Amino acid sequence: GAVVSQHPSRVICKSGTSVKIECRSLDFQATTMFWYRQFPKQSLMLMATSNEGSKATYEQGVEKDKFLINHASLTLSTLTVTSAHPEDSSFYICSARVSGRNNNEQFFGPGTRLTVL
Amino acid sequence: AQSVTQPDIHITVSEGASLELRCNYSYGATPYLFWYVQSPGQGLQLLLKYFSGDTLVQGIKGFEAEFKRSQSSFNLRKPSVHWSDAAEYFCAVVSAGNNRKLIWGLGTSLAVNP
Repeated sequence: GAVVSQHPSRVICKSGTSVKIECRSLDFQATTMFWYRQFPKQSLMLMATSNEGSKATYEQGVEKDKFLINHASLTLSTLTVTSAHPEDSSFYICSARVSGRNNNEQFFGPGTRLTVL
Repeated sequence: AQSVTQPDIHITVSEGASLELRCNYSYGATPYLFWYVQSPGQGLQLLLKYFSGDTLVQGIKGFEAEFKRSQSSFNLRKPSVHWSDAAEYFCAVVSAGNNRKLIWGLGTSLAVNP
């Protein structure tokens, strides 16, 4: 149980295009999902917290107009990198928390490798 | 502010040797603690977690960790390392805020010599 999928696993795009990454909780409902970015040999950096039906909360320094997050259902959150540039190339990871006040564990997706040419 | 410190950036051990990866946290109340492992180019895999109860926690792949409140530590151990354990290891603690996000250590890179 508690499986999270991400799609696509890899994407290569041209500079200036937009890329959408999907994060799905396959066997549970997730009120809250998180989006992370990870550079090579570094730790995870939280980009934003996504709550179903409301606007995402972005971490300081993360451009909300650049990284659009939509959490339209209890099983799906999407991250859209708008007008991507080479510096946006990174490993993007989502996680989901099972709905419920006392749940503290996040379940992680396998990640999406974005390369912007 | 809450923080997680993994003092060792890189550790090299010989296959079959014992392993201890250090993790220290700063948090006023009882923390919710995690250890994750990440192989190159892969996602995260949960090794073990501590929420309450027995301070010695058993995880997958033969790993264990001990919560020591007096030392604010949650060190990860394995009695005999296998070559396949070479990976990046991350310690994390749940933050005290409403969204209960994870606070991450910088990670420890483990290399295993044959």
